[in-house]
Amino acid sequence: GEDVEQSLFLSVREGDSSVINCTYTDSSSTYLYWYKQEPGAGLQLLTYIFSNMDMKQDQRLTVLLNKKDKHLSLRIADTQTGDSAIYFCAERSRGGGNKLTFGTGTQLKVEL
Amino acid sequence: NAGVTQTPKFQVLKTGQSMTLQCAQDMNHNSMYWYRQDPGMGLRLIYYSASEGTTDKGEVPNGYNVSRLNKREFSLRLESAAPSQTSVYFCASLGLQNEKLFFGSGTQLSVL
Repeated sequence: GEDVEQSLFLSVREGDSSVINCTYTDSSSTYLYWYKQEPGAGLQLLTYIFSNMDMKQDQRLTVLLNKKDKHLSLRIADTQTGDSAIYFCAERSRGGGNKLTFGTGTQLKVEL
Repeated sequence: NAGVTQTPKFQVLKTGQSMTLQCAQDMNHNSMYWYRQDPGMGLRLIYYSASEGTTDKGEVPNGYNVSRLNKREFSLRLESAAPSQTSVYFCASLGLQNEKLFFGSGTQLSVL
């Protein structure tokens, strides 16, 4: 089945850029997503990219997709303490149900 | 427009008890999903309903049943709760453009 992998932790200083990486196995992925989860809350969609795109920029967020290597990254510029959260990568493959497969999540800690 | 609403927010059960988690969406979405979230394991799909009247197993369906009561509502039932079902449960629905997954705020379930 589909598999999505992320590193578990990332620590950065306030004002630096954060890069969260994700790899996936399904070559038929149509959309790839980044979700943010703050403590005690549900998942909030940050951004998504269609599989025929290489890059998408949305204010401080830049998503890069390397389809050949099945690698997705999320760059957060000028990281703030409010960016501290768990970030989930997810992919949606073709086929019935439009199911999303999520990674394990990366805990981002922003230090002063 | 409330989005995706889940009840209850918290529940404590004894082993062997049964309960139903309720989920409703008011966005006229066709597809709905139940995920569980466990530390270090990300979100895993329990069951999904691609459209009203259909349900299918996800990655971890054992010990659960679902009902797609109508287009709005998708419930998850634990017939005989086990400690391994202690988790945070999220309901989600897929946007009409089939791009974005909208999440409820989650149900924290403890089985003693």
